[in-house]
Amino acid sequence: RKEVEQDPGPFNVPEGATVAFNCTYSNSASQSFFWYRQDCRKEPKLLMSVYSSGNEDGRFTAQLNRASQYISLLIRDSKLSDSATYLCVVNPNTGNQFYFGTGTSLTVIP
Amino acid sequence: DAGVIQSPRHEVTEMGQEVTLRCKPISGHDYLFWYRQTMMRGLELLIYFNNNVPIDDSGMPEDRFSAKMPNASFSTLKIQPSEPRDSAVYFCASSFVNTEAFFGQGTRLTVV
Repeated sequence: RKEVEQDPGPFNVPEGATVAFNCTYSNSASQSFFWYRQDCRKEPKLLMSVYSSGNEDGRFTAQLNRASQYISLLIRDSKLSDSATYLCVVNPNTGNQFYFGTGTSLTVIP
Repeated sequence: DAGVIQSPRHEVTEMGQEVTLRCKPISGHDYLFWYRQTMMRGLELLIYFNNNVPIDDSGMPEDRFSAKMPNASFSTLKIQPSEPRDSAVYFCASSFVNTEAFFGQGTRLTVV
């Protein structure tokens, strides 16, 4: 079983829409969670960390559900510039390795 | 800080040749990671180091792949001999413990 699983999409949404991505992880002892963003032909970059209490950064909200072992990312009022691949990342804390999901592709359409 | 620096940015080589990818992590980071990204398999962790010591190399696909970190500011990933299926983007990343990883711009490798 993969450490991290994501729906690859693609998600095609109109500007202004709200879109949500989910990601499941296999190691219940995992402690650190992140969402990264990757633009075409670029390196992944941190979008936001995911805290147990949930956290919000402008239009972006990340949540963690430990009981069901999933994390989510909600994007409100989508902008064209949000078009990218969003990667779910889990650090299982058995070392310090970071396991990436395969990414979810988002295209925001004018 | 200039961030994680990788070289070369692009590499085209013939099958059977040796390829060496280089990485300079962010100064002070004590973890360094090598990833490979392909369309089919996404981002795969190949190996990671802590304080220059390899901790987990279970992701290294074959004996043709080797990685070293001779000091805190330099690491190499070597493929010898290279094969067309090694074509991918190879990323190096670094971090402190339990904080986010910062990525280099990657090396796009094409083996023909």
